[in-house]
Amino acid sequence: QKEVEQNSGPLSVPEGAIASLNCTYSDRGSQSFFWYRQYSGKSPELIMFIYSNGDKEDGRFTAQLNKASQYVSLLIRDSQPSDSATYLCAAGSGGGADGLTFGKGTHLIIQP
Amino acid sequence: ETGVTQSPTHLIKTRGQQVTLRCSSQSGHNTVSWYQQALGQGPQFIFQYYREEENGRGNFPPRFSGLQFPNYSSELNVNALELDDSALYLCASSLDRAGPQYFGPGTRLTVL
Repeated sequence: QKEVEQNSGPLSVPEGAIASLNCTYSDRGSQSFFWYRQYSGKSPELIMFIYSNGDKEDGRFTAQLNKASQYVSLLIRDSQPSDSATYLCAAGSGGGADGLTFGKGTHLIIQP
Repeated sequence: ETGVTQSPTHLIKTRGQQVTLRCSSQSGHNTVSWYQQALGQGPQFIFQYYREEENGRGNFPPRFSGLQFPNYSSELNVNALELDDSALYLCASSLDRAGPQYFGPGTRLTVL
């Protein structure tokens, strides 16, 4: 059974610091990886996606992928109180037929 | 370009009833995926439709069924509702079967 594991938190980070969120996945056939942000009572919002080993940067966000270790991370620089949310990590296969497998999410709190 | 929309926002049903949830994908997105999200959990994949054909299905019973229409709309039907079907139902559209998925606002279903 495909699994994505995340620390549920809460992860508390001071405003302006770097928040580091991590997840691991069980299926070596996974080819695409996604980070979603979900505010309480709202639907998930896509923040980043990454397909290749290494780093991918977009503004304050950096996604990192290590397929050998089956490890994905998300760094948020200059954390803002508005970044406080649950962050969902998801893995997908090549053809999409299995959908995305999500972790349970990490609850991030940015302390002003 | 409009985003993904879903209707209704909230719905209350009784055990044993049937329900239809609707989704309108982003224009040009020929793939729609449906997910069920229970409180405190990550979304669980129900099924995916690509160009009006079912492309894949998660671990959900046959009483969960769907349709996708040529006008980028789709629907999720659930028969013989059970109490455990109470959840947030999310649809997500994407340009292709394995691409990034963009979620709608969701439908909150309560089964009494």
